[in-house]
Amino acid sequence: KAGVTQTPRYLIKTRGQQVTLSCSPISGHRSVSWYQQTPGQGLQFLFEYFSETQRNKGNFPGRFSGRQFSNSRSEMNVSTLELGDSALYLCASSPGGLAGAHYEQYFGPGTRLTVT
Amino acid sequence: AQKITQTQPGMFVQEKEAVTLDCTYDTSDQSYGLFWYKQPSSGEMIFLIYQGSYDEQNATEGRYSLNFQKARKSANLVISASQLGDSAMYFCAMRVSHAGGTSYGKLTFGQGTILTVHP
Repeated sequence: KAGVTQTPRYLIKTRGQQVTLSCSPISGHRSVSWYQQTPGQGLQFLFEYFSETQRNKGNFPGRFSGRQFSNSRSEMNVSTLELGDSALYLCASSPGGLAGAHYEQYFGPGTRLTVT
Repeated sequence: AQKITQTQPGMFVQEKEAVTLDCTYDTSDQSYGLFWYKQPSSGEMIFLIYQGSYDEQNATEGRYSLNFQKARKSANLVISASQLGDSAMYFCAMRVSHAGGTSYGKLTFGQGTILTVHP
């Protein structure tokens, strides 16, 4: 079974631009979560999508948005990029939707975004 | 709110020896899961082991075991017979089950411990 894929792997953008990152979950998984990893703040939860609906959101400004398609692939968008948005963006895939279940999340390789 | 604390910024271990990475957590929820992930320099997060709050036995996965002490709110990772390939960043994480039973995907991570294995 193929793992979680993220594209692109590396990205360099200029301050003020916008960027779209893509995540394809493991086949059959319906939940995709996004995380931002920086040296200063560590790993922080951005949001989670399940069946095309955002069902959980972290404490990030509205410049960070996402969506999920009917095939469970997800995209996240960052508008008006700031220098502080430079980070490794990880997405995680899981079956989702299991009430009270403790299930594993499988992470992709990440997209390393550099804002100059 | 949930919180994960990893107090060891860096740890060193000799190849073939065992090492314990510390993790304490704080939550008022009764139902939760604790996870350990390994992150090599490549950046990918690799799932290692999981422990549920209602599991009575400590979880084990090959050379990894989780020393779960619920009363002390600790979930330490034990790596036996360390290998050079174990050198990486290790993260402890937690997810809670919300009221009503639905378990959302949000993981709360600690700051991580860098493990270096010496030959």
